[in-house]
Amino acid sequence: DAGITQSPRHKVTETGTPVTLRCHQTENHRYMYWYRQDPGHGLRLIHYSYGVKDTDKGEVSDGYSVSRSKTEDFLLTLESATSSQTSVYFCAISESAGGVYGYTFGSGTRLTVV
Amino acid sequence: GENVEQHPSTLSVQEGDSAVIKCTYSDSASNYFPWYKQELGKGPQLIIDIRSNVGEKKDQRIAVTLNKTAKHFSLHITETQPEDSAVYFCAASIGGSQGNLIFGKGTKLSVKP
Repeated sequence: DAGITQSPRHKVTETGTPVTLRCHQTENHRYMYWYRQDPGHGLRLIHYSYGVKDTDKGEVSDGYSVSRSKTEDFLLTLESATSSQTSVYFCAISESAGGVYGYTFGSGTRLTVV
Repeated sequence: GENVEQHPSTLSVQEGDSAVIKCTYSDSASNYFPWYKQELGKGPQLIIDIRSNVGEKKDQRIAVTLNKTAKHFSLHITETQPEDSAVYFCAASIGGSQGNLIFGKGTKLSVKP
């Protein structure tokens, strides 16, 4: 997907365990985003980054944290996974603020919390 | 903040017919309106976009129109084909460092042969 990969693609984890999802890009884009996709809710922004070590919250950030120590990697951590965090998670990258030249999305990570 | 409403949530058409998906937005400062197509098991992919200084944009069988006064924009697909079957998302952005894309909830389009 145009230089963006997400890992793992699928994960099943138990309630209360920490989980980290990884997004890796080879495009050297400054902006990176984490969205979750749920039926009936579309795509909702969790966190985003506008540079190394520069991150901010989106509309559904509770229970999630992020880190970006390198331009190419953006990590999403669920500190203590809950069943409500079962979802498909998408990472996106953009070369411009506000995504005004479009986002490129990864293929997604399907996370199931049991 | 920005809110984007998308209708309908599902749309079924016969192959060869046209399909129209409509979105409204709330923030009059929004100036960028992309459309994404998501096929099963994949991430959304940008198919067309329009900026606030343009009223209409076409790319082969796909067109997008924007009415800034009414704050709505639409995706038009003509001569639909089975491979057009997917979930389509509209989005809006005010641009700038705080202007992240806000997405509609999606429309599942089914094109019947």
